[in-house]
Amino acid sequence: AQRVTQPEKLLSVFKGAPVELKCNYSYSGSPELFWYVQYSRQRLQLLLRHISRESIKGFTADLNKGETSFHLKKPFAQEEDSAMYYCALMTGANNLFFGTGTRLTVIP
Amino acid sequence: EAGVAQSPRYKIIEKRQSVAFWCNPISGHATLYWYQQILGQGPKLLIQFQNNGVVDDSQLPKDRFSAERLKGVDSTLKIQPAKLEDSAVYLCASSLDGEDRVADTQYFGPGTRLTVL
Repeated sequence: AQRVTQPEKLLSVFKGAPVELKCNYSYSGSPELFWYVQYSRQRLQLLLRHISRESIKGFTADLNKGETSFHLKKPFAQEEDSAMYYCALMTGANNLFFGTGTRLTVIP
Repeated sequence: EAGVAQSPRYKIIEKRQSVAFWCNPISGHATLYWYQQILGQGPKLLIQFQNNGVVDDSQLPKDRFSAERLKGVDSTLKIQPAKLEDSAVYLCASSLDGEDRVADTQYFGPGTRLTVL
């Protein structure tokens, strides 16, 4: 069975500080991982996907198969980064299995 | 491009009553999903449609939940009868269903917040 673990429900950092949101997964197949974000009063939206190896809004995430992790990182946090972040694993026919989420607060 | 539309945005009912939610996906999107998000948890897939056929409904509590997408466009999700534990946000999402499923982004609606008293 698949599992996505986000160990931190809440994370607070100061503006300009580095931020890392942790995500660990368990899956018997070849993992395909995503980060979704929900800003206040907005819809859940895709932030980035591991296969694209892209940087979105300064965020990056590297898939580490040895540690079964897909941590989200940004070197300098901004106030507008405050949001709810969900790590998700794609299983089956384009089905997403979500973690419980981490609420990031960037303190001015 | 208009996003995924859902209605109503909020619904309060008493247990054992029935409720229905409506979703209109992005035009041209073949795949439609319904998720349940209980407070403090991530979204959980209930059912996935491709056009008007069900792809996956393994997590749908079929004794009380039903969903349909008769014309392959909009969809309704029904709960009958509702229980207290059904209180949640019900999210609808759609995707284009291109050849590359990993690159195929799911777009989410605003959700319907259901409170069962």
